[in-house]
Amino acid sequence: ETGVTQTPRHLVMGMTNKKSLKCEQHLGHNAMYWYKQSAKKPLELMFVYSLEERVENNSVPSRFSPECPNSSHLFLHLHTLQPEDSALYLCASSRTGTSGGEQFFGPGTRLTVL
Amino acid sequence: GEDVEQSLFLSVREGDSSVINCTYTDSSSTYLYWYKQEPGAGLQLLTYIFSNMDMKQDQRLTVLLNKKDKHLSLRIADTQTGDSAIYFCAEKVNNNDMRFGAGTRLTVKP
Repeated sequence: ETGVTQTPRHLVMGMTNKKSLKCEQHLGHNAMYWYKQSAKKPLELMFVYSLEERVENNSVPSRFSPECPNSSHLFLHLHTLQPEDSALYLCASSRTGTSGGEQFFGPGTRLTVL
Repeated sequence: GEDVEQSLFLSVREGDSSVINCTYTDSSSTYLYWYKQEPGAGLQLLTYIFSNMDMKQDQRLTVLLNKKDKHLSLRIADTQTGDSAIYFCAEKVNNNDMRFGAGTRLTVKP
């Protein structure tokens, strides 16, 4: 257990569905991240929130919409996804400004888009 | 280049040492990390090294850093079947960003 939880762990959705991924951290961190992990590719950073404000959006399509209502929760809202969006979506958190600043990851949500 | 580079696969026999290599991109990166990912799980931080160090040892793990060549390695002594996983190298790029490699899949054969 890393102190970062994600729900659901698995999700299958059609291209016309709307769903949301949830992440919660219990570590007192002030930054949260969404990553996409596809086979044999480096982790792709999607969004960064620091102190509940979005600080980075790495050219992610608008069909992915993040929300960070407070420093402990992060959501990723999904709509009209494509099959190539099927991947493992990982949430992470960290405390910025500390020496290591290492990120702690949740177990991920395995998303399949039909 | 802009990518953190790692070999995709490594296979060793149980009891041998494993060495996983990584080339990172930014000579000014302050911290370098090794993460482990087991099947069905997220990434677990194994160890990290500050850029002013050239070696760090933690039980069976030894991290070597060559800043001149931007080369990082992870040595696992007495590798066990439970060490089978994907190992990711990462560098801290700025206050919020980390850049990850594609991961090395370590297979440990009995």
